[in-house]
Amino acid sequence: DAMVIQNPRYQVTQFGKPVTLSCSQTLNHNVMYWYQQKSSQAPKLLFHYYDKDFNNEADTPDNFQSRRPNTSFCFLDIRSPGLGDAAMYLCATSRGDIPSSYEQYFGPGTRLTVT
Amino acid sequence: AQSVTQPDIHITVSEGASLELRCNYSYGATPYLFWYVQSPGQGLQLLLKYFSGDTLVQGIKGFEAEFKRSQSSFNLRKPSVHWSDAAEYFCAVGAREYGNKLVFGAGTILRVKS
Repeated sequence: DAMVIQNPRYQVTQFGKPVTLSCSQTLNHNVMYWYQQKSSQAPKLLFHYYDKDFNNEADTPDNFQSRRPNTSFCFLDIRSPGLGDAAMYLCATSRGDIPSSYEQYFGPGTRLTVT
Repeated sequence: AQSVTQPDIHITVSEGASLELRCNYSYGATPYLFWYVQSPGQGLQLLLKYFSGDTLVQGIKGFEAEFKRSQSSFNLRKPSVHWSDAAEYFCAVGAREYGNKLVFGAGTILRVKS
C-alpha cells in the first residue's frame, strides 16, 4: 500500500544533542511537510518542500532544518534540542496542484523526548 | 487573519448516540474543507473533504459533513457513535491565497461512554 513512513516512532535525545527524524513516502507526491504537534494542540507547520524548493515558515526557529535528497525522502534535523522541542513530529505529503495540495497524507509521527 | 474555530474542546457521547462536531471558518471565498481524525499517538487520517458540488459529503467510518456557506460552517456528523470513534478530530481549511498550507482548528476530543 502507498503510504507515508516515519522512523523512528519514538526518539529520546539529550538536551543539546543533534537529532534527525526521517520520513519516506511511496505516493510519489511533489510536496512534503513537517509539522510539530504538542499535546492537545493542532499541528503547527514548520516547513515544506515543493519538489526541491524549500519553504520555511516565518516563525520556525533556526534550530530546525530539513533536507530532501530525493522525491521519496525528507529529513528533519534539530541541531540543539531544547526541552521545549519535545513533541510529536508529523510528516505529510500531497500532490502539488491546488486543490489537491490541501489533501495531505500523514505519517504515524515520531514522538520526541528530550532529557 | 484566517481562522478555523472548533468551539468544543471536549465532547462526550454515549455509544450508539448521534454526534455533531462543529467547525466554523473565516474566509471570503469558498475554501477547501477537511476533517481529520487522530487516535492517541498516531498521525492524522483524512475522514472527508469538500471541494465543490454537493454540500453534503460522505466520508470513511460512517461520517458525513455538511458545508453551509451562509453560516461559514462545515460540521461533522455521525448517526451512531462506536467506542472506537474516541479520538481527536481536527477541522482544516485550505484557501488559494495561502498557498499550499492547511489551517487547522484547535481540535475536539471525543470521548465515548458505554
